[in-house]
Amino acid sequence: KAGVTQTPRYLIKTRGQQVTLSCSPISGHRSVSWYQQTPGQGLQFLFEYFSETQRNKGNFPGRFSGRQFSNSRSEMNVSTLELGDSALYLCASSLDPGELFFGEGSRLTVL
Amino acid sequence: AQSVTQPDIHITVSEGASLELRCNYSYGATPYLFWYVQSPGQGLQLLLKYFSGDTLVQGIKGFEAEFKRSQSSFNLRKPSVHWSDAAEYFCAVVGGNYQLIWGAGTKLIIKP
Repeated sequence: KAGVTQTPRYLIKTRGQQVTLSCSPISGHRSVSWYQQTPGQGLQFLFEYFSETQRNKGNFPGRFSGRQFSNSRSEMNVSTLELGDSALYLCASSLDPGELFFGEGSRLTVL
Repeated sequence: AQSVTQPDIHITVSEGASLELRCNYSYGATPYLFWYVQSPGQGLQLLLKYFSGDTLVQGIKGFEAEFKRSQSSFNLRKPSVHWSDAAEYFCAVVGGNYQLIWGAGTKLIIKP
């Protein structure tokens, strides 16, 4: 079974731009979660989608958004990028509550 | 409110020594508990999980954890650590609406 695939793996953007990250979950997994990880703040939950509906949301500004498609693939978007958005963005899919399978992440650098 | 506490930010252990990483949770119902590991530059990987039944659970890479309801703890142990165990370890519990509540993580440093 293929694992969770995140694209792109690395990207560089400038302040004010927007970015879209993609996540393909493990086949059959209906839940997809997104996390932001930085050295200063650690692992922070962004949101979770289940069957195309946002089921849970963390404490991030509205510049961070996401969606899930009918095939369970998910995208997250960050608009009006700030320097502080530089981070590793992790996606995870799951079949059972709490049992997450993570991708390798998308490393975003904002200049 | 549901929460997970990992009191140790860093732990240093000599290679071959035993390891115990502490985790305390706050959750009213029977918890679903997890330990995850993140090696440098990698995503997170599930080490083990507790749903119910035997309170001592075995995981991958020789790790085990013991659920103690009376202490609200789910400590991770390994009898003999290897240099490849150097990583960050996260404890987590499933909270309301199936949301996973995470501890802040413990960074394990292995001394040669």
